[in-house]
Amino acid sequence: LAKTTQPISMDSYEGQEVNITCSHNNIATNDYITWYQQFPSQGPRFIIQGYKTKVTNEVASLFIPADRKSSTLSLPRVSLSDTAVYYCLVGDIAAGNKLTFGGGTRVLVKP
Amino acid sequence: DAGVTQSPTHLIKTRGQQVTLRCSPKSGHDTVSWYQQALGQGPQFIFQYYEEEERQRGNFPDRFSGHQFPNYSSELNVNALLLGDSALYLCASTYYRGLAKNIQYFGAGTRLSVL
Repeated sequence: LAKTTQPISMDSYEGQEVNITCSHNNIATNDYITWYQQFPSQGPRFIIQGYKTKVTNEVASLFIPADRKSSTLSLPRVSLSDTAVYYCLVGDIAAGNKLTFGGGTRVLVKP
Repeated sequence: DAGVTQSPTHLIKTRGQQVTLRCSPKSGHDTVSWYQQALGQGPQFIFQYYEEEERQRGNFPDRFSGHQFPNYSSELNVNALLLGDSALYLCASTYYRGLAKNIQYFGAGTRLSVL
């Protein structure tokens, strides 16, 4: 499984865009990049998944450069309720269901 | 459509005791995975059940065991509790033959405190 590295924490203000970059230098050809969000005392929640280029849904955008050695989760116009821990995961989506979580990035949105 | 439900929400045990945690998967899902999350850390994979069998296992001792029932619900059993077993225990479900197995739906967890 490819190891991921992401910042431990980030602060932002309401209305700003938050970008979290995850490094995964050893990503394999069949690996997808998946992001989860976790609020205190709750289970992680799937946010977005991508393989290359850009993926956008109603919650976030995921930017993946051509070499796929990193990815950036972009949260537009954050609100206080976006304060959470964000996890970047890399793995083959067809190989099995074991998810390997790292330490995640703690995002604090201030008023 | 009910999501993943776990019970109980909180539990207090003493060292050496045994505990059973329960999980009902999201409707339509047939695979259940269990994770342990210590305070301030990411979830760690314990094991996964599909078709009432343990399919994958993480780096956890045999004190951790599980079961899956014909209705796809699952139990996590921990014997001879240690102080270090205090954590949030998360259950996640998915559909085994789905295209994206790593998109899992998590319950709110059971907070276990071992005194």
